[in-house]
Amino acid sequence: QKEVEQNSGPLSVPEGAIASLNCTYSDRGSQSFFWYRQYSGKSPELIMFIYSNGDKEDGRFTAQLNKASQYVSLLIRDSQPSDSATYLCAVNPSRGGTSYGKLTFGQGTILTVHP
Amino acid sequence: DAGVIQSPRHEVTEMGQEVTLRCKPISGHDYLFWYRQTMMRGLELLIYFNNNVPIDDSGMPEDRFSAKMPNASFSTLKIQPSEPRDSAVYFCASSIGTFGEAFFGQGTRLTVV
Repeated sequence: QKEVEQNSGPLSVPEGAIASLNCTYSDRGSQSFFWYRQYSGKSPELIMFIYSNGDKEDGRFTAQLNKASQYVSLLIRDSQPSDSATYLCAVNPSRGGTSYGKLTFGQGTILTVHP
Repeated sequence: DAGVIQSPRHEVTEMGQEVTLRCKPISGHDYLFWYRQTMMRGLELLIYFNNNVPIDDSGMPEDRFSAKMPNASFSTLKIQPSEPRDSAVYFCASSIGTFGEAFFGQGTRLTVV
């Protein structure tokens, strides 16, 4: 089992719709979770992080975390063509409550928002 | 701050040559990471440092790869000898603390012919 798994997509949504991106992780002790956006030919850019169970909202983005189910999601409301990119889920694994300090990434989900 | 700075941005080299990639992390960040990204394998962690000390190099593919961090503001990733399968984009990233988010440099696109 991969440490961090994402559906590679592509996920295609119409402009103005909600895009839902999902991620599961295998390390139950993981403490922090991140979503990065990567445009073609560019470096990953942090857009959201979440540490606690529940929802965290930032503008059009909402991150959802369910540690019991080892599941993280990212919702993008009112999707725009400029949101078209690869979205990478990253997890900070740990042991016994001590973080390793590193990030493990999923393969990424390609999102296409069409006008 | 200028962010994480990597050089060169592009490198084309012949098989068997030595390649050195360079990284300057964000000032004050105590973690530095080297990642490699390919279409097939995605973003893989090669090695990371905490306070200039290598913590985990289990992702380094083989002995041809080596990394150093002589001080808090500079790190290198060296491949010797290089092979065509090393062609990829190499990213350096830095962060603060064990839970901090990582900030990426612009990457070095390496092509080994």
